[in-house]
Amino acid sequence: ILNVEQSPQSLHVQEGDSTNFTCSFPSSNFYALHWYRWETAKSPEALFVMTLNGDEKKKGRISATLNTKEGYSYLYIKGSQPEDSATYLCAYVNTGGFKTIFGAGTRLFVKA
Amino acid sequence: DAGITQSPRYKITETGRQVTLMCHQTWSHSYMFWYRQDLGHGLRLIYYSAAADITDKGEVPDGYVVSRSKTENFPLTLESATRSQTSVYFCASSETPVTGELFFGEGSRLTVL
Repeated sequence: ILNVEQSPQSLHVQEGDSTNFTCSFPSSNFYALHWYRWETAKSPEALFVMTLNGDEKKKGRISATLNTKEGYSYLYIKGSQPEDSATYLCAYVNTGGFKTIFGAGTRLFVKA
Repeated sequence: DAGITQSPRYKITETGRQVTLMCHQTWSHSYMFWYRQDLGHGLRLIYYSAAADITDKGEVPDGYVVSRSKTENFPLTLESATRSQTSVYFCASSETPVTGELFFGEGSRLTVL
């Protein structure tokens, strides 16, 4: 069983707050870690794909870091806006056939 | 138009019936995936395929069958639908999930009565 865990399950913040979420994954047989943004009634859209230990990626106000040795990744949102409200999913890709397993997601609510 | 499309978008069926959900992508991506959306679980992998004629089980394969005779198509069949298979099903494709993102279809909402 490949366990991909995300915390917290949900998060309520005020507009302008900065926030971060955690994704934990098996450190063995690691190939890649993906982050997706999933708005209600839409399909998930990719934010980042990371492969190297120590990777840091940034897109606007959103950034992510990766620690493959200890098996975790952080997603940061700086100055949250109401339009950031969505579910944020991480996905772990392992070396066993590139099976891509998602965590349960963190649901972010940003109040104006 | 290029992209990944699923059909039908909505389906209501009865327990015991066979249902096939279709997935078609125009990018010639090698990898294709089927996920189901479950409350509290996010997206759970049912089956995936690394290339035509190569498929493998995911986390929750029981009750499902897949095939991939052509690179662009990856149908998912529920051989004898059960109420527990009521869900939204997402198909996705990727050139390679090692360095490339997954591109998702719009989802197929299946209700089993």
